[in-house]
Amino acid sequence: QSALTQPASVSGSPGQSITISCTGTSSDVGGYKYVSWYQQHPGKAPKLMIYDVRNRPSGVSNRFSGSKSGNTASLTISGLQAEDEADYYCTSYTSSNILEVVFGGGTKLTVL
Amino acid sequence: EVQLVESGGGLVKPGGSLRLSCAASGFTFSSSGMNWVRQAPGKGLEWVSSISSSGNYIYYADSVKGRFTISRDNAKNSLYLQMNSLRAEDTAVYYCAREKRGSSPIFDYWGQGTLVTVSS
Repeated sequence: QSALTQPASVSGSPGQSITISCTGTSSDVGGYKYVSWYQQHPGKAPKLMIYDVRNRPSGVSNRFSGSKSGNTASLTISGLQAEDEADYYCTSYTSSNILEVVFGGGTKLTVL
Repeated sequence: EVQLVESGGGLVKPGGSLRLSCAASGFTFSSSGMNWVRQAPGKGLEWVSSISSSGNYIYYADSVKGRFTISRDNAKNSLYLQMNSLRAEDTAVYYCAREKRGSSPIFDYWGQGTLVTVSS
């Protein structure tokens, strides 16, 4: 299955807001409400940040928010902090073949 | 506290086999769908396989279909991944991950990962 498309990198200064996009097709992002976002620091396991497009798990800062329009999902981080610097991945179901899970290629967030 | 602990990784020659295990604790394992996700060195995450809580529904990524087998033992709170006919491109850190709810690609808990290296 093809990975969802994310920008390779984004950057922002502390206090600013950034948005990471995740583009798929009607067979994945556009067809399901199950878009999730994960944060991964170097050498660590991924951490769930957003699920079902816009829901935050308990304990995740409300500076993180998610949305979706058509075949593109987005993760917005407001009030950037140094500890937000990490890799971010989106994921969705895909029915292009059989029901499978597909990840985005990942986006490296740099806090300047 | 939910804990997932992978084991079984290591160095194996191309064409060889390896069995990964994931020991679960802190939640009702028999009620949770489970997945394997891998990450090649310096690369992104790649979903490998999923198994429903009962073990009745199993899915694989095309890249491992026919070579890998996922299974679980609910009595032992354990998840497994039998990997056969290993290739260099299977080299990765393998994570087990719990589904937040059944039949959904929402992974709310992850293990620390176990490294599999396929090399001659």
